[in-house]
Amino acid sequence: RKEVEQDPGPFNVPEGATVAFNCTYSNSASQSFFWYRQDCRKEPKLLMSVYSSGNEDGRFTAQLNRASQYISLLIRDSKLSDSATYLCVVNTNAGKSTFGDGTTLTVKP
Amino acid sequence: DARVTQTPRHKVTEMGQEVTMRCQPILGHNTVFWYRQTMMQGLELLAYFRNRAPLDDSGMPKDRFSAEMPDATLATLKIQPSEPRDSAVYFCASGTGPGNTIYFGEGSWLTVV
Repeated sequence: RKEVEQDPGPFNVPEGATVAFNCTYSNSASQSFFWYRQDCRKEPKLLMSVYSSGNEDGRFTAQLNRASQYISLLIRDSKLSDSATYLCVVNTNAGKSTFGDGTTLTVKP
Repeated sequence: DARVTQTPRHKVTEMGQEVTMRCQPILGHNTVFWYRQTMMQGLELLAYFRNRAPLDDSGMPKDRFSAEMPDATLATLKIQPSEPRDSAVYFCASGTGPGNTIYFGEGSWLTVV
């Protein structure tokens, strides 16, 4: 079993839709969590950190459930420019950063 | 604008040849990661260093791969001998320690024929 698992998708949604991505992790000692975005043929870039209380950044909302070892990302009012692969990242206390395989989103006009 | 710098950006080599990829982390970052990405495997962690010391290289095939940090401004990943299955994008990333964001270079695109 992979340390970090994501639904690979692809998710194909119309502009304006709300879409949610899920991620589970196996290491209960994991300490910090992030969502990254990767565009085609580019490097991953930080989208947002994920805090225990949940956090929002504009149209993006991230949630963490430590008891269930589950992280989510919600995108509201999808834009064409949101089309990308979204990667869940889990860090251990030792600083090891493990990435999920990513969920591909395509937003269509 | 601080960034992680990787060389070469693209490399095509023949099977059996040695390949060396280099990474300059962001100045002041003490943690360096090497990842490999393919369509089939996603982003795999090969090795990572803190303060130039290797902390975990369990993801790296030991028989042909080696990773080092000769100094704080240079990390290297070497494949010898290279094989076609090593064809992938190799990303270097750096950060400031546990719990903090890591920043990626643009990757080294390797093709072994």
